[in-house]
Amino acid sequence: GENVEQHPSTLSVQEGDSAVIKCTYSDSASNYFPWYKQELGKRPQLIIDIRSNVGEKKDQRIAVTLNKTAKHFSLHITETQPEDSAVYFCAASMDSSYKLIFGSGTRLLVRP
Amino acid sequence: EPEVTQTPSHQVTQMGQEVILRCVPISNHLYFYWYRQILGQKVEFLVSFYNNEISEKSEIFDDQFSVERPDGSNFTLKIRSTKLEDSAMYFCAPGEYNEQFFGPGTRLTVL
Repeated sequence: GENVEQHPSTLSVQEGDSAVIKCTYSDSASNYFPWYKQELGKRPQLIIDIRSNVGEKKDQRIAVTLNKTAKHFSLHITETQPEDSAVYFCAASMDSSYKLIFGSGTRLLVRP
Repeated sequence: EPEVTQTPSHQVTQMGQEVILRCVPISNHLYFYWYRQILGQKVEFLVSFYNNEISEKSEIFDDQFSVERPDGSNFTLKIRSTKLEDSAMYFCAPGEYNEQFFGPGTRLTVL
């Protein structure tokens, strides 16, 4: 079955710097890749997603890129702010199933 | 983003007891999913529900688990005989195909 690897497990950046989180997936049939942000004690919240028919998607300070050939996708956060501190999860799914397979998460700390 | 409520927010139970977790979506959706998250770990898929039937379930979703839609709107996840390792956050997620939005979750603590 599908497997999603996520790196790094922790990331500490200075406020205003950029942060990049990377994920790789194993099943080439996967075609939907969402990113969730989870603050302490809260639910995972969908922040951005990308489908396999595009290579990049941006929403203000966040962007996601997808390389189907290499089977990896990345989350980019620019001009980080302390409120970006959270655990970020990538996930993958495919049309034959729709279930989300999650990565192990990245704990992002933005230092003021 | 679809709204959904989950009850209870926190359930404490003794090992071997049955628990029922409830989820009420505010509007109708094609698909419905249950996930769990053990403290400090990743989110894991349990089961998906489509057209009032289970469409897929994971290895975690063994005979101790069941899911129902008893009255056409609410969804319930039942664990018949809880084990210590069932302690986790349980999230329901209504969705349109693979785009899914998580409910606030139920924290299950098995003692």
